[in-house]
Amino acid sequence: EVQVVESGGGLVKPGGSLRLSCAASGFTFSSYSMNWVRQAPGKGLEWVSSISRDSIHIYYADSMKGRFTLSRDNAKNSLYLQMNSLRAEDTAVYYCARSAMYGEFDYWGQGALVTVSS
Amino acid sequence: QSVLTQPPSVSAAPGQKVTISCSGSSSNIGGNYVSWYQQLPGTAPKLLIYDNDKRPSGIPDRFSGSKSGTSATLGITGLQTGDEADYYCETWDGSLSAVLFGGGTKLTVL
Repeated sequence: EVQVVESGGGLVKPGGSLRLSCAASGFTFSSYSMNWVRQAPGKGLEWVSSISRDSIHIYYADSMKGRFTLSRDNAKNSLYLQMNSLRAEDTAVYYCARSAMYGEFDYWGQGALVTVSS
Repeated sequence: QSVLTQPPSVSAAPGQKVTISCSGSSSNIGGNYVSWYQQLPGTAPKLLIYDNDKRPSGIPDRFSGSKSGTSATLGITGLQTGDEADYYCETWDGSLSAVLFGGGTKLTVL
């Protein structure tokens, strides 16, 4: 069974840092691009970042560039999102999602809540 | 303000049909695959349609997708109360090198 499970969410002060992890199982992790998508309370889905299966191609939403860093460890079947200089507007549930053949996000985790507040 | 434009809400009676539109441009919908997601309250999004009009296994044929030019449409027939959810379109934008989501449409089954 394909599973992606996020961890690492929590409460952090403005300007602080947090690292989210996504543990994948049930599929050949190294064969798939992976993504983070977030959802602020009561708002819609917002794409955060995507990484190719070999880490050569990494893309970020404009508001995350320079603050967030996406990486993966194919040996550990894991995806990571390092978030620095966090702002109140980064408060959201962060979802890890797998990309399938046509770019669609076919499997999603349950989400990790990140709250940025003093 | 999303680059992909969806109506904020739609509604219809049980058993009826509804369509949700998603409008974009040549750099996104016009040149790339469109996917649709259903998000039930309090849950993670779920893939409904991919490659413009294909359904993953397990998705009933009451759900359909289409694309024409720079717009895409999600159709739902035989509406059920369990279909009440938020629906999002999604595609890649080649000019922005970014994944785009529509603003989302809340479906109410009256």
